[in-house]
Amino acid sequence: GQQVMQIPQYQHVQEGEDFTTYCNSSTTLSNIQWYKQRPGGHPVFLIQLVKSGEVKKQKRLTFQFGEAKKNSSLHITATQTTDVGTYFCAGPRQAGTALIFGKGTTLSVSS
Amino acid sequence: NAGVTQTPKFQVLKTGQSMTLQCAQDMNHNSMYWYRQDPGMGLRLIYYSASEGTTDKGEVPNGYNVSRLNKREFSLRLESAAPSQTSVYFCASELLGYTFGSGTRLTVV
Repeated sequence: GQQVMQIPQYQHVQEGEDFTTYCNSSTTLSNIQWYKQRPGGHPVFLIQLVKSGEVKKQKRLTFQFGEAKKNSSLHITATQTTDVGTYFCAGPRQAGTALIFGKGTTLSVSS
Repeated sequence: NAGVTQTPKFQVLKTGQSMTLQCAQDMNHNSMYWYRQDPGMGLRLIYYSASEGTTDKGEVPNGYNVSRLNKREFSLRLESAAPSQTSVYFCASELLGYTFGSGTRLTVV
């Protein structure tokens, strides 16, 4: 069946280090979305990428959508303690209108 | 301007009991969703409703029923709760990207 995989599952960094999480889909996606969930909170929408090879930036966060539209990455430059949380990628399910989510990458940051 | 509101926030049930999780959105979105989140499993789709009057099964629908009461409200019912349904349940609505509610933390003992 359709799968969306994320690596790594966990990442610990020192404050100021960079961080990257990777997302791979078993199928070609029409778009990919990224969400952030703070500990004890709910997922919050960050961004949607639609075009092959698209790169978008939000301050220290850089999002990329692969040329084949099967993979994506989120890179955080100079992490801060406010970046702590779990980052999920998600793409449209083959059947229906809902999203299928990766299992997420949990980022911890020590100061 | 509350977004997506879920009730209750916490619930403990005994095995075999029933309950309904409520979800309402005030953003006039057509599509609404129910996901469950378990440690290490990410978010798994239970049911969704693409528009008022329609509902469809997701990845893990067994043991659940849903009602799209009107455009605003989408409820999730557990008819006979089981310990395997212990989870955090999130409702979401969609326009561009999902807006999630704050979740219901359910424990079945």
